[in-house]
Amino acid sequence: EAQVTQNPRYLITVTGKKLTVTCSQNMNHEYMSWYRQDPGLGLRQIYYSMNVEVTDKGDVPEGYKVSRKEKRNFPLILESPSPNQTSLYFCASSFAGQGTGANVLTFGAGSRLTVL
Amino acid sequence: AQSVTQPDIHITVSEGASLELRCNYSYGATPYLFWYVQSPGQGLQLLLKYFSGDTLVQGIKGFEAEFKRSQSSFNLRKPSVHWSDAAEYFCAVVEYGNKLVFGAGTILRVKS
Repeated sequence: EAQVTQNPRYLITVTGKKLTVTCSQNMNHEYMSWYRQDPGLGLRQIYYSMNVEVTDKGDVPEGYKVSRKEKRNFPLILESPSPNQTSLYFCASSFAGQGTGANVLTFGAGSRLTVL
Repeated sequence: AQSVTQPDIHITVSEGASLELRCNYSYGATPYLFWYVQSPGQGLQLLLKYFSGDTLVQGIKGFEAEFKRSQSSFNLRKPSVHWSDAAEYFCAVVEYGNKLVFGAGTILRVKS
C-alpha cells in the first residue's frame, strides 16, 4: 500500500530533550515536506526536500532540522524542544515538478507532540 | 506570498442538508487548487483538485468544487451531507513548485 509513515504518533517530552520524528514513504517520491498544524493557523511548512541531499527552509523553520540521506526517509529533528513547538506534525510527499500527478501531496497520519 | 482564506471556522449543518465551504485565494496566475479533508486522528486526504480546464471539479465522497477566477474563489459543495462528513476541511493553493499554502481550515459539524 502506498503510504507515508510517521513515528511516533504521539509523544510527550520535556523542554530541551532532543527528539526525532521519522518519516518514510514507499512511493519513490522525490519531494518530501514537513508541516505543522496549529488551531486557527492551518498547516505551515517547516522544511522541504526536492531530492536526496537537497533540503530548504519553509515558512517556520526555527528550532527544527532535517536531513535527506535516502530518498524514502525525511526525519524531523528538534534539537532542543520548547513548549511553542507543541503541535501536530505532518510529513508529506509527492513527485517533484508541476502539473497533474505532481503537487498532489500524500500525507502521513500525523505526530502529536507535546513539550512540557 | 500566496494566501488562502477560509472565512468560516466552524459550520454546522443537519444531516441530509446541502453544504458549501468557502475558500478565497490570492494568486496572480492560474492557480493549482486543492481541497483536503482531515478526519479526527487521521492525516489529510485529498478530496479534489483543480489545475485547469472545466471549472467545476468532481471529487471523492460526492464533493465538488467550482473555480471562479473573477471571485478568486474555490468553494466546496456537497448536495446532501452525511454524518461521516464531520471533519476539518482545508483549502490549499500551490505557491511554487510543490509547496502548498493552506487555509486555516473549516470544522464541519453534522447534526442528526
